[in-house]
Amino acid sequence: DAGVIQSPRHEVTEMGQEVTLRCKPISGHDYLFWYRQTMMRGLELLIYFNNNVPIDDSGMPEDRFSAKMPNASFSTLKIQPSEPRDSAVYFCASSRTRLTGPTEAFFGQGTRLTVV
Amino acid sequence: KQEVTQIPAALSVPEGENLVLNCSFTDSAIYNLQWFRQDPGKGLTSLLLIQSSQREQTSGRLNASLDKSSGRSTLYIAASQPGDSATYLCAVGTSGTYKYIFGTGTRLKVLA
Repeated sequence: DAGVIQSPRHEVTEMGQEVTLRCKPISGHDYLFWYRQTMMRGLELLIYFNNNVPIDDSGMPEDRFSAKMPNASFSTLKIQPSEPRDSAVYFCASSRTRLTGPTEAFFGQGTRLTVV
Repeated sequence: KQEVTQIPAALSVPEGENLVLNCSFTDSAIYNLQWFRQDPGKGLTSLLLIQSSQREQTSGRLNASLDKSSGRSTLYIAASQPGDSATYLCAVGTSGTYKYIFGTGTRLKVLA
């Protein structure tokens, strides 16, 4: 397997524009996570899905952020409208769970977003 | 609410030293704990995963221990090398919620 694949790797956009980040999890993994990493706040969990259903979106900072998982092999994180403070590295991760808890999480290479 | 802390925030050591990185968590009701490595501008690479029922895991020069009752985990790196220079992150996996909460990381520099 190629691992968790994210695109684009880098994105530079102007304030107010819509940004869409994409993620392909590892085949067979039933959990997908979106994280955001900044120098000030470290790695923050934004939202996670189980079997394509959002389970916990309490980490999504504002209504400008939305995430979808239309099928088991694809997820998007959308920011509309984008603001300079959204500049960060966004990571997608996936894992396969047991009945009682999570197994090893695998991360993508991240998307570095810069909003100017 | 689970909080995860890593001390020190940064560490610089000469090549060949054995070193210990620390991870503390506030809620001992964890499912597992995972150690990651992150190189500058890169993603996270999983190093070791310890289940809550285990006390330690080893992979090559790395050894991770877990003491649930005291809310602590350590990552021991033997005979450090310049290639070990990176940021090391611990993440606590929780039962029921199935999510990982990350520590703030330790930035390690091994000097040649």
